[in-house]
Amino acid sequence: TQLLEQSPQFLSIQEGENLTVYCNSSSVFSSLQWYRQEPGEGPVLLVTVVTGGEVKKLKRLTFQFGDARKDSSLHITAAQPGDTGLYLCAGPPGAGNMLTFGGGTRLMVKP
Amino acid sequence: NAGVMQNPRHLVRRRGQEARLRCSPMKGHSHVYWYRQLPEEGLKFMVYLQKENIIDESGMPKERFSAEFPKEGPSILRIQQVVRGDSAAYFCASSLATSGYEQYFGPGTRLTVT
Repeated sequence: TQLLEQSPQFLSIQEGENLTVYCNSSSVFSSLQWYRQEPGEGPVLLVTVVTGGEVKKLKRLTFQFGDARKDSSLHITAAQPGDTGLYLCAGPPGAGNMLTFGGGTRLMVKP
Repeated sequence: NAGVMQNPRHLVRRRGQEARLRCSPMKGHSHVYWYRQLPEEGLKFMVYLQKENIIDESGMPKERFSAEFPKEGPSILRIQQVVRGDSAAYFCASSLATSGYEQYFGPGTRLTVT
């Protein structure tokens, strides 16, 4: 059982559609990070959320941290083929700096 | 290029050989982390280092694996007597001392053991 559960695991949509990806845990996290990873490359940090209820926007991407700091969501508006990739949430499970990762959501946006 | 650098990008080793993976952190970052991504599995923490110190190696196998981050030069992850199960992508990340949770990843080293 993963500490961070992501859903859905796979998502295939048409260009222009909206989508939401979820990252859930039964544990409280001091912060959560969202990364995007493309095949053959390392994860690229998209955003960090720290405060419960926090909302951050990055162009067409909206990130939200749950009030209880146990969950987060990523919403993409008007998805484009360039958004295709593996989206990972991660966070430090305790006081240390190590990150635990969710299993990822593999997104494909078809033109 | 101010990002995290890893080399080599691809490494092929025969069973029983040694693999040495290198990581240079982002400029100004003093904390280095190594993660492993097995085929069809998620990223798993291995070890966390600061200059000349191992801070947390709870995710690193006790046998055959070692890591260092010397005062000068890159961080090194060493795998001795590699086995087929070591085949994976190994990622290095770095962070500032003040925000360890914001980690920036390198492109990874893909190790194949034949």
